Amino acid sequence: AQSVTQPDIHITVSEGASLELRCNYSYGATPYLFWYVQSPGQGLQLLLKYFSGDTLVQGIKGFEAEFKRSQSSFNLRKPSVHWSDAAEYFCAVYGQNFVFGPGTRLSVLP
Amino acid sequence: NAGVTQTPKFRVLKTGQSMTLLCAQDMNHEYMYWYRQDPGMGLRLIHYSVGEGTTAKGEVPDGYNVSRLKKQNFLLGLESAAPSQTSVYFCASSSTTSIAGGGLKNIQYFGAGTRLSVL
Repeated sequence: AQSVTQPDIHITVSEGASLELRCNYSYGATPYLFWYVQSPGQGLQLLLKYFSGDTLVQGIKGFEAEFKRSQSSFNLRKPSVHWSDAAEYFCAVYGQNFVFGPGTRLSVLP
Repeated sequence: NAGVTQTPKFRVLKTGQSMTLLCAQDMNHEYMYWYRQDPGMGLRLIHYSVGEGTTAKGEVPDGYNVSRLKKQNFLLGLESAAPSQTSVYFCASSSTTSIAGGGLKNIQYFGAGTRLSVL
């Protein structure tokens, strides 16, 4: 069975600081991995995805994520956070079907 | 290009009432999905469809029914609404394409959501 965990429910960072959101998955084979962002009252927007190949993937809005098979992780990073990045972030895995993590809410201090 | 459109955006029901949520996509995607989103639980799959005329149960199907009579539409029905069905509902669609080295990629595109309250 597939599962996704996001250990951090809520993270607060200062504007301009670096960011790392954690995601761990459980799946028997190599999964397809995604990060989505959801702004308040909005649907989910795809930030980036990993299917195969280079384990460091670049996404929109300056985000990147690194797939580490040995750690079953797909952590999302951004070198310098902007106030507009405040949102909820969801990690998802597609193996037999899509499974989403519980989400991490990001707050950004001015 | 509208993408994935959900109607209505908001709805309030009394316990026992019925309603249907409509999802429409204009991307010719084969797959469509209905999720519910509850605080601290992420998105949970209710039902999904891999093509016109087909539906399948997801993680939390009880109390819901779906139909996919046309490829572009995926309807979610609540026959007798309960307060436990108060949630935000998201529809998504996707299409699979082959990738180099084998395998299929599958990317979901989401609607803006429907906020449902059951009193």
